[in-house]
Amino acid sequence: GDSVTQMEGPVTLSEEAFLTINCTYTATGYPSLFWYVQYPGEGLQLLLKATKADDKGSNKGFEATYRKETTSFHLEKGSVQVSDSAVYFCALSDLRAGGFKTIFGAGTRLFVKA
Amino acid sequence: DTEVTQTPKHLVMGMTNKKSLKCEQHMGHRAMYWYKQKAKKPPELMFVYSYEKLSINESVPSRFSPECPNSSLLNLHLHALQPEDSALYLCASSQEWLAGGYNEQFFGPGTRLTVL
Repeated sequence: GDSVTQMEGPVTLSEEAFLTINCTYTATGYPSLFWYVQYPGEGLQLLLKATKADDKGSNKGFEATYRKETTSFHLEKGSVQVSDSAVYFCALSDLRAGGFKTIFGAGTRLFVKA
Repeated sequence: DTEVTQTPKHLVMGMTNKKSLKCEQHMGHRAMYWYKQKAKKPPELMFVYSYEKLSINESVPSRFSPECPNSSLLNLHLHALQPEDSALYLCASSQEWLAGGYNEQFFGPGTRLTVL
């Protein structure tokens, strides 16, 4: 079945450091890919998305490119801030049983130190 | 209005209680979802409603009973829960479920449930 694997955390960085969180997926169809972020005590917010191969999603300085050949959707940011501390979930949405199901990775916790 | 609201924010209940969680959205979305999230884990899908009809039940125990009274509201009725049901319950909505598209979901802040 479909699955999402993302790097284990926690990831601890200093402010202004470069961030990469790896994400790979397996899917039988042609899924859409997402990164969601969850701040402490809150629900999930969509960070960025990509719907087909070679699409690049971007938002708030974060980027990820849909790579079909490597089945990856790695999240990157050039310069992290303390306010980026949160849990990041990679997810895919694929058609099953007549509708769409979203499958989440395990989540990667990011701590950014001032 | 791009917000999904959930009430209550926190709920403590005994194993013999009956309670309900509520979720509301006014974005005109026709798909609504319940997820359960345990600490330090990803959300797990429980139910999907599409056009107010239950479309997916991920083998959830019958002590959880969903209800979709109209296109804006989603309830989760709770009865005879177990301590292991303690978790954050998240509601989400999206434009469509059956149609094509990238099915971006909008999440509420969740209800933190504790079962004693």
